[in-house]
Amino acid sequence: DIQMTQSPSSLSASVGDRVTITCRASQSIGSFLNWYQQKPGKAPKFLIYAASTLQSGVPSRFTGSESGTDFTLTITSVQPEDVATYYCHQSYSNPHTFGQGTKLEI
Amino acid sequence: QVQLQESGPGLVKPSQTLSLTCIVSGGSINSGDYYWTWIRQHPGKGLEWVGYIHYSGSTYYNPSLKSRLDLSVDTSKNRFSLKVTSVTGADTAVYFCARAQIIERAFDIWGQGTSVIVSS
Repeated sequence: DIQMTQSPSSLSASVGDRVTITCRASQSIGSFLNWYQQKPGKAPKFLIYAASTLQSGVPSRFTGSESGTDFTLTITSVQPEDVATYYCHQSYSNPHTFGQGTKLEI
Repeated sequence: QVQLQESGPGLVKPSQTLSLTCIVSGGSINSGDYYWTWIRQHPGKGLEWVGYIHYSGSTYYNPSLKSRLDLSVDTSKNRFSLKVTSVTGADTAVYFCARAQIIERAFDIWGQGTSVIVSS
């Protein structure tokens, strides 16, 4: 199985801060990397696919990038509604695997 | 707008079979462009891909569950289902159904999730 190592596990930010979450794949996954946002008691929300393509309707302050097997989710100006846990997900091969999650607090 | 809704018992006894259904509304499950997916989340934990099925019947299972897992699709009722046999407490989780794009295989639409507790 492909292991997805996500960091940090939690972070605290102030409104307006730039926040970066990193996900490292244990082997090459091309650009088959997706990001989700999950608020407590809710289903995950689809944010970004193919490492850097923003899903329709997602605010442009969310961006994704890749460098080899390292992938990054950046929130350029954190807002109060961004409080959530963020997960990366590799869809390169079965079984699909997720990172452990990053809990963002404001 | 496509929506997914899980249904099924919230309590299952150990060694019995867990059965859930996901109803697809606002779109056809017959679209060849998607895989119909199950994902679960153990209490306070991260996400685990269970498996997915194409409307044609092709299935892809997580090897960790494969021997106990059965996914099926009912195109006449626009729904798909999950069965996990011989459940234990380790199967206690919130189960989500989701839609995966066939090319990128990202999960773009999710159901709200249904909590399943395995307990006698």
